[in-house]
Amino acid sequence: QVQLVQSGAEVKKPGASVKVSCKASGYTFTTYYMHWVRQAPGQGLEWMGIINTSGGSTSYAQKYQGRVTMTRDTSTGTVYMELSSLRSEDTAVYYCARVAAAGQEAFDYWGQGTLVTVSS
Amino acid sequence: SYVLTQPPSLSVAPGKTARITCGGNNIGSTSVHWYQQKPGQAPVVVIYYDSDRPSGIPERFSGSNSGNTATLTISGVEAGDEADYYCQVWDRSSDHYVFGTGTKVTVL
Repeated sequence: QVQLVQSGAEVKKPGASVKVSCKASGYTFTTYYMHWVRQAPGQGLEWMGIINTSGGSTSYAQKYQGRVTMTRDTSTGTVYMELSSLRSEDTAVYYCARVAAAGQEAFDYWGQGTLVTVSS
Repeated sequence: SYVLTQPPSLSVAPGKTARITCGGNNIGSTSVHWYQQKPGQAPVVVIYYDSDRPSGIPERFSGSNSGNTATLTISGVEAGDEADYYCQVWDRSSDHYVFGTGTKVTVL
């Protein structure tokens, strides 16, 4: 069965970076793209970016350009999302979510979420 | 940037019908997906491509999309349908993925 298992909760200080992982299993890793979506406490869902797990190309939301980096390791079936220059507003649950292709496809499987807390 | 507007909340009695709207400029020209999110859980897709249901999603869930409004309809609402619901589209012009503002459905 398809599973996306994310790394555990993180606590970071303002100005630091965080790297969240998402390990995929139960399907052929490189035949699906992966999105990252975040949700601040009590708020809605916000798209951050997408990575082509086959070729490694990325597309980021304009809001995060220059601060986010998405990578993948095809040998382990894992995608990573690194967010730098953290501020308190980055406190949120971060989700990875699979799609069959870039564009109009739905996000069909989601990771369990990783809580990142930014606090001095 | 493309904006999707949903009512913040909706209350419905058990057995009745809930209709959740998602407003966007000419949204009928693109595909809309709907996600259900229960407290402390990741979202789950309940409708994709405007009106298709994934396996395992009850027939009580249906969707439509036309003009400037997409609608998620939950017929015969049950207590277990209490959750937040989000619409989502791909904005071709910006190549960004957009979520609606979310609707909290409360079952009375």
